[in-house]
Amino acid sequence: GQQVMQIPQYQHVQEGEDFTTYCNSSTTLSNIQWYKQRPGGHPVFLIQLVKSGEVKKQKRLTFQFGEAKKNSSLHITATQTTDVGTYFCAGSWSNTDKLIFGTGTRLQVFP
Amino acid sequence: DAGITQSPRHKVTETGTPVTLRCHQTENHRYMYWYRQDPGHGLRLIHYSYGVKDTDKGEVSDGYSVSRSKTEDFLLTLESATSSQTSVYFCAISPGKNSPLHFGNGTRLTVT
Repeated sequence: GQQVMQIPQYQHVQEGEDFTTYCNSSTTLSNIQWYKQRPGGHPVFLIQLVKSGEVKKQKRLTFQFGEAKKNSSLHITATQTTDVGTYFCAGSWSNTDKLIFGTGTRLQVFP
Repeated sequence: DAGITQSPRHKVTETGTPVTLRCHQTENHRYMYWYRQDPGHGLRLIHYSYGVKDTDKGEVSDGYSVSRSKTEDFLLTLESATSSQTSVYFCAISPGKNSPLHFGNGTRLTVT
């Protein structure tokens, strides 16, 4: 089926440590998007990956799309308290207009 | 946020009553989506629209209906609200298929 699995569900880190969240689909994705939701807020778009093996960076954030276009990761280097929130991946497939979200990874950063 | 408005922001209703949530956009985007967010489940797609009067089901469409009679408005109706529909409901818009979504601020619905 068309679903996206995301792990871990929670991650608590000390400020300055790295953080990674992973997404996986059992079928080939046409693209994957990443969103961040601050506590009490709404999801905000971060980035979209389309190409096999694609890697994109936004300051301390690195996004990867797997060679088979079935998995993706978001890595944050040297976390800061401003990174706190829930990170979602969302996948789409070529035969549908739907955008299906993973369950999210909630990141807590301790100063 | 500018461009997309959800109303109401909060609502408390009783089991068995019909409820309609409204999403209004000023971006003239083609696609509109309704998601619900619950702890441990992330964001689950209820229904979406790819044009005026063009809608399709998402992952959790049972108990919900939608209508889009004009580009700017996408209505979500709970035909007979149940306690399991207590949730935060987000509307989102995008200009095209596979384009990034822009979310509204959400509606917190409580069914007692």
